[in-house]
Amino acid sequence: GAGVSQSPSNKVTEKGKDVELRCDPISGHTALYWYRQRLGQGLEFLIYFQGNSAPDKSGLPSDRFSAERTGESVSTLTIQRTQQEDSAVYLCASSLGVPGTSGGSSYNEQFFGPGTRLTVL
Amino acid sequence: KNEVEQSPQNLTAQEGEFITINCSYSVGISALHWLQQHPGGGIVSLFMLSSGKKKHGRLIATINIQEKHSSLHITASHPRDSAVYICAVRWSRWSGGSNYKLTFGKGTLLTVNP
Repeated sequence: GAGVSQSPSNKVTEKGKDVELRCDPISGHTALYWYRQRLGQGLEFLIYFQGNSAPDKSGLPSDRFSAERTGESVSTLTIQRTQQEDSAVYLCASSLGVPGTSGGSSYNEQFFGPGTRLTVL
Repeated sequence: KNEVEQSPQNLTAQEGEFITINCSYSVGISALHWLQQHPGGGIVSLFMLSSGKKKHGRLIATINIQEKHSSLHITASHPRDSAVYICAVRWSRWSGGSNYKLTFGKGTLLTVNP
């Protein structure tokens, strides 16, 4: 079966432009995550979608960042008026679900996409 | 602030050597993940554990909850093991965590020379 896919794989844009990044999760996965990985830094949580629940947007760094998800499928991350510090790899992940705090369930395993490398000039 | 620290940042080994990568964290967790990221590639989940030890092929992950420490071991290392290895934790509820949000270490870059 297909894994998590992301598009585009690379995006170069000029400062001030808007960009839209896309994530297609694994079919049947109700949970979807967006992360950012800046050069030399660890991954940072951005936003989390779970089914029809309100998303957790607590990781979004500014109001220039927004994300949407259509049902339990495609998600788009939009960055408005891009800045040079937005340059990073943006990673999407999906998991079957999150049944609780148990560390042993395969429901919690996250499957990552290949990422979108964003360069803001 | 809840933190995850990995060591070493960089590790170079000769093929066949035994490798250990360490991860320590600041407060209680409900789960710890080890991930692998190849250059230019995506991220693959290696292990998820909350206690004890797990083994998959040449990879072994251990965790000591009391010491807030985990190790990833690679036996008989091979050049194809060259990658960034990332530790990530899910904080427990009483540590202010959620049942889905992960905090990541900065990763350990492993290079295995033939």
